[in-house]
Amino acid sequence: GIQVEQSPPDLILQEGANSTLRCNFSDSVNNLQWFHQNPWGQLINLFYIPSGTKQNGRLSATTVATERYSLLYISSSQTTDSGVYFCAVVPFPSARQLTFGSGTQLTVLP
Amino acid sequence: GAVVSQHPSRVICKSGTSVKIECRSLDFQATTMFWYRQFPKQSLMLMATSNEGSKATYEQGVEKDKFLINHASLTLSTLTVTSAHPEDSSFYICSASRQGGGELFFGEGSRLTVL
Repeated sequence: GIQVEQSPPDLILQEGANSTLRCNFSDSVNNLQWFHQNPWGQLINLFYIPSGTKQNGRLSATTVATERYSLLYISSSQTTDSGVYFCAVVPFPSARQLTFGSGTQLTVLP
Repeated sequence: GAVVSQHPSRVICKSGTSVKIECRSLDFQATTMFWYRQFPKQSLMLMATSNEGSKATYEQGVEKDKFLINHASLTLSTLTVTSAHPEDSSFYICSASRQGGGELFFGEGSRLTVL
């Protein structure tokens, strides 16, 4: 099956710093989503981005489907950004179930 | 977006009992829902695909007789963990998407602890 690799596995930042999280995938995809898992376990949808670039406030994401990677940018990080960030993909041409990467644990220090 | 809700959020049970978890799509109809399991400090692993009006499709290594899935309506799927044991303790989370939509939305998750 498709392989989804995220880097770095852990990231510690000072509040106000910027960061880039990377997601590499091994095959063509129909769908790519970024999630933030909060301390209570809930998955918060950040971006639905099978290709192109999107921005939402301090967050933005870019997917280069032809090169099989996606990047999540967090600017001016806040302590509330702490948590695990997951990239998940639906491989082409299969059904709609997502395959998750192993996640990036982000800790933002005050 | 779309709202998916799970109940209960937490459940503690004794070994050998069965536990039912509900997943509801609140503002849309979902012919397909997905059930995932997450162990501590690990990623989410797909367990099964729930199809309205037909049998669920289970991933390799997931016991269909242990994890019973019923998708009786377009807004409700249930996961029943039968004869639960401590190794079944985990975080169970469901997801769904609007018909024709590609983006998947997740419920709040259900944390099961089997004593």
